[in-house]
Amino acid sequence: GAVVSQHPSWVICKSGTSVKIECRSLDFQATTMFWYRQFPKQSLMLMATSNEGSKATYEQGVEKDKFLINHASLTLSTLTVTSAHPEDSSFYICSAGATQTSGGGSRETQYFGPGTRLLVL
Amino acid sequence: QKEVEQNSGPLSVPEGAIASLNCTYSDRGSQSFFWYRQYSGKSPELIMSIYSNGDKEDGRFTAQLNKASQYVSLLIRDSQPSDSATYLCAVKPIRAGKSTFGDGTTLTVKP
Repeated sequence: GAVVSQHPSWVICKSGTSVKIECRSLDFQATTMFWYRQFPKQSLMLMATSNEGSKATYEQGVEKDKFLINHASLTLSTLTVTSAHPEDSSFYICSAGATQTSGGGSRETQYFGPGTRLLVL
Repeated sequence: QKEVEQNSGPLSVPEGAIASLNCTYSDRGSQSFFWYRQYSGKSPELIMSIYSNGDKEDGRFTAQLNKASQYVSLLIRDSQPSDSATYLCAVKPIRAGKSTFGDGTTLTVKP
């Protein structure tokens, strides 16, 4: 259980084009999804948190007009990198929050998708 | 001070040894704690979650939590070369919402 998929797994595009990345929770509903970026040999960097049906919350320094996030359903969130440039080349990873209920309480665990490698030429 | 701190390593252990990975956190209100493993070029994979003080064992992995000391650790028994990866500690302050990740500890298990 708790499987998250991403599509595409890798993409090469020309500078100035837009790229859309899809993140799907396959066997659970995710109220919250998260988008991360990771450069080679560096730490995960949270870009934004998206909640189904509402606007995403972006981390400081992340341009919301450049990285458009849509969380239209409980199983799908998309990240669109608009007017991509070579410096946007990175490993983009989504994660989805799965809620488990036990002992009268509930807890949410983040499960990661396999990531999308973006190369902008 | 970072919210979640880990030794960056690299930590090197011989095959068959116990690898000990440590993590400290600053928010006393934290309730959920996770260990993820990330192989080079791949995305993080959940290994363990722990919510209460004490030890939690799953196969060769044991997570230890001490909320009073704001400390969580991961022990890997009988380490294998396939355990070589970066291990990320994550801390969640409330039952839902975003986790804060440490920068990770790189573990190398030498045959």
